[in-house]
Amino acid sequence: GQQVMQIPQYQHVQEGEDFTTYCNSSTTLSNIQWYKQRPGGHPVFLIQLVKSGEVKKQKRLTFQFGEAKKNSSLHITATQTTDVGTYFCAGLDSGYSTLTFGKGTMLLVSP
Amino acid sequence: NAGVTQTPKFRVLKTGQSMTLLCAQDMNHEYMYWYRQDPGMGLRLIHYSVGEGTTAKGEVPDGYNVSRLKKQNFLLGLESAAPSQTSVYFCASNDRGNTGELFFGEGSRLTVL
Repeated sequence: GQQVMQIPQYQHVQEGEDFTTYCNSSTTLSNIQWYKQRPGGHPVFLIQLVKSGEVKKQKRLTFQFGEAKKNSSLHITATQTTDVGTYFCAGLDSGYSTLTFGKGTMLLVSP
Repeated sequence: NAGVTQTPKFRVLKTGQSMTLLCAQDMNHEYMYWYRQDPGMGLRLIHYSVGEGTTAKGEVPDGYNVSRLKKQNFLLGLESAAPSQTSVYFCASNDRGNTGELFFGEGSRLTVL
């Protein structure tokens, strides 16, 4: 079946450091979405990328979609304790009818 | 505007018992989904519905049944619960299928002893 690999599984940073999580697919994706889940909470939509090479920014968060539409990344500049949570990517392969979620990257930020 | 509401939020079952999780959305969304979340496994799609009266299997449908008799409700049933079904279940909905933002409920934590 469709697989979306996400790395790293876990990252612990000091407040102020940068953070990046990567999402990779063996097949071309039609689109990719990113979600954030706070501890004990539910996933919350962050953004969707559709175009090859697309880059979108939300304050300290930068999202990229690869040129081949097989990978994506989420970069957080100068992390804050409010960034703590698990970040998921979810990709849609054109041969499938539903999104497939990566296993997520858990981010811990120490003050 | 409540969004997506799941009931119950917590439940403990014994092996072999049955139960139904209810998902209700007040956003008039066509698409509804049930996911399960296990540690280190991300979110896996159980069943989904593209409209009232329709259902379809997701990635991990075995042991579950669903119904979408009303547009606003999506029910997930476990006919004979097994310990492997211990998980956190999330319902989600949207109005654009695979190209739209998913709105998630707060989750239902199910433990099967």
